[in-house]
Amino acid sequence: NAGVTQTPKFQVLKTGQSMTLQCAQDMNHNSMYWYRQDPGMGLRLIYYSASEGTTDKGEVPNGYNVSRLNKREFSLRLESAAPSQTSVYFCASSEIRTQYFGPGTRLLVL
Amino acid sequence: AQKITQTQPGMFVQEKEAVTLDCTYDTSDPSYGLFWYKQPSSGEMIFLIYQGSYDQQNATEGRYSLNFQKARKSANLVISASQLGDSAMYFCAMREADFSGNTPLVFGKGTRLSVIA
Repeated sequence: NAGVTQTPKFQVLKTGQSMTLQCAQDMNHNSMYWYRQDPGMGLRLIYYSASEGTTDKGEVPNGYNVSRLNKREFSLRLESAAPSQTSVYFCASSEIRTQYFGPGTRLLVL
Repeated sequence: AQKITQTQPGMFVQEKEAVTLDCTYDTSDPSYGLFWYKQPSSGEMIFLIYQGSYDQQNATEGRYSLNFQKARKSANLVISASQLGDSAMYFCAMREADFSGNTPLVFGKGTRLSVIA
């Protein structure tokens, strides 16, 4: 039982490059989330998927797209990376009374 | 709009002492959940404790307890018998429409706790 897994753990991109962050959970949760964490800002919601087949924007969705591939997997895509997207990205899944996080992806955009 | 406020950017506590980390929230939804997470220097987010707005008793998990004062809209985390390993960033978070478990969390900016030997 791995919980929530994320790949990659660390990535360096050049401005304008694209990449996809992968997330999977094995807890059979309906809802999944992508957050970003910047210094002094706490975590902010990028996108979430309340159930398979649905996605909704969060507080900071600009520059990102998501795909809920199936119940287990929820990916985050940066089509044209910008230095402002340098951050730590966390995927999470939840059920009633809890929300579990993956280990995070550190992204540096030069 | 929901909002979480953590007013203590940093706290120090002596080993083996108890410490309280403050959290206040604002929501108009009667069904909400309050969460506390620990983030050590390694970076992972560790779930500590949950309190539902309709729960009759304050939540406890081992050395962690949540002092839930609904009328004051506060949900303070109490750590008893602090250990050096408790040194970390602590985040308070809230979720509205909590009955489904399918809504996102809103986080405070966190409190950095340092435990001194």
